[in-house]
Amino acid sequence: NAGVTQTPKFRVLKTGQSMTLLCAQDMNHEYMYWYRQDPGMGLRLIHYSVGEGTTAKGEVPDGYNVSRLKKQNFLLGLESAAPSQTSVYFCASSYTGDEQYFGPGTRLTVT
Amino acid sequence: SQQGEEDPQALSIQEGENATMNCSYKTSINNLQWYRQNSGRGLVHLILIRSNEREKHSGRLRVTLDTSKKSSSLLITASRAADTASYFCATDLGYGQNFVFGPGTRLSVLP
Repeated sequence: NAGVTQTPKFRVLKTGQSMTLLCAQDMNHEYMYWYRQDPGMGLRLIHYSVGEGTTAKGEVPDGYNVSRLKKQNFLLGLESAAPSQTSVYFCASSYTGDEQYFGPGTRLTVT
Repeated sequence: SQQGEEDPQALSIQEGENATMNCSYKTSINNLQWYRQNSGRGLVHLILIRSNEREKHSGRLRVTLDTSKKSSSLLITASRAADTASYFCATDLGYGQNFVFGPGTRLSVLP
């Protein structure tokens, strides 16, 4: 039982490049979330999903897209990376929408 | 300003002492949760308190919730060096669909 895993752990992008972050969970959770964490701030919700095939915007969705084609996977895409998207990205999942289980994070730098 | 704000921003205590952190929020909530984050890692769920509860215990943790004052406190008793971490409160505004995290309290427990 791996819990929540994130791929990759680190990435450096140039401005304008695109990439996809993968989140996978093996706990059969319905809810999945993508957050970003910037220095001195708490986590801010980017997008979330309440089930396979559904997605919704969170607090800071601009510049990101997501997909949930399979229940266990939640993908976060950056179509044209900007320096303002330099951050640590965390994925989380939840069975009931209460307690969230977090992945180890992806550290992204956009130059 | 953010929905959830922890106070103090940083706290330094000696091993064996108690640590108290506070969280204030602005709007009505479904539940409030506390998480711990060790440096560079994902968040770990500590405790959840629902809007109709006033106090909850889990091991050395005690959480209170005052919905009239829109505030919560987390008490860690008999602290240990291993408790050194950042602590975040998260408010659930919409049944698992809209979490808002505060900026966190950095706790240092000195041996």
